[in-house]
Amino acid sequence: KQEVTQIPAALSVPEGENLVLNCSFTDSAIYNLQWFRQDPGKGLTSLLLIQSSQREQTSGRLNASLDKSSGRSTLYIAASQPGDSATYLCAGGTSYGKLTFGQGTILTVHP
Amino acid sequence: KAGVTQTPRYLIKTRGQQVTLSCSPISGHRSVSWYQQTPGQGLQFLFEYFSETQRNKGNFPGRFSGRQFSNSRSEMNVSTLELGDSALYLCASSQGQLLEGETQYFGPGTRLLVL
Repeated sequence: KQEVTQIPAALSVPEGENLVLNCSFTDSAIYNLQWFRQDPGKGLTSLLLIQSSQREQTSGRLNASLDKSSGRSTLYIAASQPGDSATYLCAGGTSYGKLTFGQGTILTVHP
Repeated sequence: KAGVTQTPRYLIKTRGQQVTLSCSPISGHRSVSWYQQTPGQGLQFLFEYFSETQRNKGNFPGRFSGRQFSNSRSEMNVSTLELGDSALYLCASSQGQLLEGETQYFGPGTRLLVL
């Protein structure tokens, strides 16, 4: 059974700082790893999807990496802005067709 | 293209009642997955429907059921509601099945409160 853990649970940083969010998973047979953003009371917005054959994906100020052997993924946010404040969730997809989510990291970027 | 839509957005029910939630996927998407989000348990997978067939199911009791129509719209039903069913229910759609590993597009959710 896939278990996904996110560290830290919460993070508060000043604007402009570079930061890293961590995601670890127990089943190395992971199919893909997806990072989402959730604003309070809203649905999820997909940020980056990394397939198992890939090592990383980039979109603007975001970079996500995947290391299946160590069971880890990281989301790097460069030059953080107050608008980046949200809950960030990672989710592991497996070949048996389920998506397992971590508990999320609540990010606050203060001006 | 319109995004994933969910109706209703908010719902208040009492224990013992039943409820039906609706999800309309992005046009052309054939997979719809349902999730329950609570502060204590986080996001948990309920089930996935693809081409009107349930493809996978999470660890939820039989009170939770769903179906998918030929136009890919999906409904989720919860019978005999319990207080613990209060949650944000999210659906997500993609072109292929979950196991094909495509990006999942989420709707805004239906917030259910059981009194």
